[in-house]
Amino acid sequence: DQQVKQNSPSLSVQEGRISILNCDYTNSMFDYFLWYKKYPAEGPTFLISISSIKDKNEDGRFTVFLNKSAKHLSLHIVPSQPGDSAVYFCAASSQGGSEKLVFGKGTKLTVNP
Amino acid sequence: NAGVMQNPRHLVRRRGQEARLRCSPVKGHSHVYWYRQLPEEGLKFMVYLQKENIIDESGMPKERFSAEFPKEGPSILRIQQVVRGDSAAYFCASAQVAKNIQYFGAGTRLSVL
Repeated sequence: DQQVKQNSPSLSVQEGRISILNCDYTNSMFDYFLWYKKYPAEGPTFLISISSIKDKNEDGRFTVFLNKSAKHLSLHIVPSQPGDSAVYFCAASSQGGSEKLVFGKGTKLTVNP
Repeated sequence: NAGVMQNPRHLVRRRGQEARLRCSPVKGHSHVYWYRQLPEEGLKFMVYLQKENIIDESGMPKERFSAEFPKEGPSILRIQQVVRGDSAAYFCASAQVAKNIQYFGAGTRLSVL
């Protein structure tokens, strides 16, 4: 049973526009969520995280929104740039993030110039 | 470069051989995690270690796989008698004590012939 789901395998947006990547989870014990970006043949790179006590966290062009009642989070990238083209993974953890991460399958974002 | 270092980056083994994957965490990080990624899949947790202790090995196959993080030296993921199904990318991550962001290495791509 997949506890973290990214239902869109791919997303294509135009440079300068907003990219919205979605993630759903089923385990109510998750209290910490992270987004990672991954290029081919490289390891995941940490982007942004959010604790369950918040509903929004912002870092530059990246904003993560958390809706606990819907068990849903989203990553917004504004404005999107061609260098943002990568696979984005949503991950969740319990006990404040010190435990193992449970990953979604990823969404491949393509930003067209 | 003080990031997570994994070696080798690529490893080719024949069925029945042993594979040893090494991971040096970020300096000052005492938590190490190993994940495996199969093609078109997200990362799957395998094992969580602190110095000289296995904290959570719930994701490790019961046979042929073992991991250690000795007092001195890198963490080692060992796969005995490899089979074709072990072909995957293996990622190591590290975190600081009581911190909640895991930083990943570039991975070791294991190919079993």
